[in-house]
Amino acid sequence: ETGVTQSPTHLIKTRGQQVTLRCSSQSGHNTVSWYQQALGQGPQFIFQYYREEENGRGNFPPRFSGLQFPNYSSELNVNALELDDSALYLCASSLDPGAAGNTIYFGEGSWLTVV
Amino acid sequence: DAKTTQPTSMDCAEGRAANLPCNHSTISGNEYVYWYRQIHSQGPQYIIHGLKNNETNEMASLIITEDRKSSTLILPHATLRDTAVYYCIVRVEGWPNSNSGYALNFGKGTSLLVTP
Repeated sequence: ETGVTQSPTHLIKTRGQQVTLRCSSQSGHNTVSWYQQALGQGPQFIFQYYREEENGRGNFPPRFSGLQFPNYSSELNVNALELDDSALYLCASSLDPGAAGNTIYFGEGSWLTVV
Repeated sequence: DAKTTQPTSMDCAEGRAANLPCNHSTISGNEYVYWYRQIHSQGPQYIIHGLKNNETNEMASLIITEDRKSSTLILPHATLRDTAVYYCIVRVEGWPNSNSGYALNFGKGTSLLVTP
């Protein structure tokens, strides 16, 4: 049990629609990162939030956006869904990103299927 | 691109030690090595991490070579429940467009099969 919770666990969307995924970080963890894991691949970094600000971004288009709230929970929003967006979306939380070597915990993920 | 190289798959007999190697020859001096495992359809499970000293916890031991170019994860007494994909990851500090951010740069990992 990592204390990182994600919702929903599974969802199906139609191409062109928008989706919002949610993450509650482990208690006290102020840094949340989002990853996309396609079938058979390792997770790929989407972006990171620290104290409600985007703190780093991977190679994902602007239709992938996010938010972090004062309680450090976070949302991942994806607009104009494409079939290739079908994947497991993972949330990871940690303490301050500048503290190299801190432990990073993942949630169980949200499975998104785009049809 | 991932900064680590791992074997695609490995087998281990139940009760024996599982030794999972990882090469990270381009690692920088302040970059940590993290190990996670993932059982199908679940989120990655944290195992252990280290910088340059050997580390041990209740799950595993991490042996990092003196030059830090490679490491080995040791599961001392493998069980069937240890069957999973194991990821060796170098934590990348200062991700592009960020002064303080970091990212875990996953590769494809090692698929470990523990057999009875």
